[in-house]
Amino acid sequence: AQKITQTQPGMFVQEKEAVTLDCTYDTSDPSYGLFWYKQPSSGEMIFLIYQGSYDQQNATEGRYSLNFQKARKSANLVISASQLGDSAMYFCAMREGRGFGNEKLTFGTGTRLTIIP
Amino acid sequence: GAVVSQHPSRVICKSGTSVKIECRSLDFQATTMFWYRQFPKQSLMLMATSNEGSKATYEQGVEKDKFLINHASLTLSTLTVTSAHPEDSSFYICSARGASGVNYNEQFFGPGTRLTVL
Repeated sequence: AQKITQTQPGMFVQEKEAVTLDCTYDTSDPSYGLFWYKQPSSGEMIFLIYQGSYDQQNATEGRYSLNFQKARKSANLVISASQLGDSAMYFCAMREGRGFGNEKLTFGTGTRLTIIP
Repeated sequence: GAVVSQHPSRVICKSGTSVKIECRSLDFQATTMFWYRQFPKQSLMLMATSNEGSKATYEQGVEKDKFLINHASLTLSTLTVTSAHPEDSSFYICSARGASGVNYNEQFFGPGTRLTVL
């Protein structure tokens, strides 16, 4: 079974609108972390936001927020007031464990977001 | 935030040659570095995890003799693609985790190296 599932290969959104990128995960470890990264065409991976499995509040970072629904095992990324510069690939990733060792990140297949002017 | 560099950013080589890619943590010490591979329009796949001063741990299906990883210091890890072939052409990305004081919850990624084998 896939550990990270991103079901939207591509999305087109009008500039200034909000957009939600879906991510579901599968793990039996009670300790885990969920990440979202942005990868523009240049290739670098830009960290956006992190949510720990024990965090009570949904994570927020500026225009990014993570809609964490633990029972449903979903960690959707919400981008408010989208901008043309938001056009990129977006990857959801999971780290199983508490993060004090060599726990690796497992990435989803990504969603290509295109912002339309 | 912490900065990770990779060198070279782009390399083109002939089939059969070996290519070395460097990954450096510029402003922090990294006990653990990760090497990923990304084919066009695909996700990142972890190749191996390297810890300073010890042998790398390779993921299943990754040939350790073909992808040599050395993590000789707390700021440098190298990936050498030996006897490269066209099917090794890919985007290679490293990431680094700090030894202490750096956010444990985050891996800092390098900008990637695009390898093209002719």
